[in-house]
Amino acid sequence: EVQLLESGGGLVQPGGSLRLSCAASAFTFSNYAMSWVRQAPGKGLEWVSTISGSGGSTYYADSVKGRFTISRDNSKNTLYLQMNSLRAEDTAVYYCAKDAGYYDSSTYYYMGIDSWGRGTLVTVSS
Amino acid sequence: QLVLTQSPSASASLGASVKLTCILSSGPSSYAIAWHQQQPQKGPRYLMKVSSDGSHSKGDGIPDRFSGSSSGAERYLSISSLQSEDEADYYCQTWGTGIQVFGGGTKLTVL
Repeated sequence: EVQLLESGGGLVQPGGSLRLSCAASAFTFSNYAMSWVRQAPGKGLEWVSTISGSGGSTYYADSVKGRFTISRDNSKNTLYLQMNSLRAEDTAVYYCAKDAGYYDSSTYYYMGIDSWGRGTLVTVSS
Repeated sequence: QLVLTQSPSASASLGASVKLTCILSSGPSSYAIAWHQQQPQKGPRYLMKVSSDGSHSKGDGIPDRFSGSSSGAERYLSISSLQSEDEADYYCQTWGTGIQVFGGGTKLTVL
């Protein structure tokens, strides 16, 4: 069974930084794109960022572009999200999510999310 | 730009059936979607993928009471024999190259 375990959340002041981690197990981590999705209190799900299996391609929502950086270490089966210049509106539970895609020759076909972590809470407040 | 539209709320009685709708409001109507369930105070759980032809593939351990279907730009999640634990938020989701798009979610109340 796929396991995704987030860590690194906490309370940070506006303008501060935080790095989230997601430890993955029970699947071949490097074969799949991975995403971060967040959920502000009482709100719906919001996509934040995606990284390809190799780490060579990254994608960001406009709301975090230029402030957040997604990365991965395939030797450690771990996904990261470096969050800088944090704002109050970044307060949310952050979920790590696995894509259901596959490689055909050297092309990766995205297929949407098929596994979720339990989330880690980030609170931005003075 | 991909946009998914869901009704904010739905309700049905214990033991009854309900059908939730997700509309591909923008973008090609041929897109597949995924359904995710979020019970109160829990993280999301993947339920199934629903393709434009109405076929669906469920996640591990998802009961037979859950099924998916399609019609044009609409994707459906049907739940039969409703149980109290089905009371949850249900999100549809689609994707492009490197991006994920979520609907606003439907809050299902089991009466």
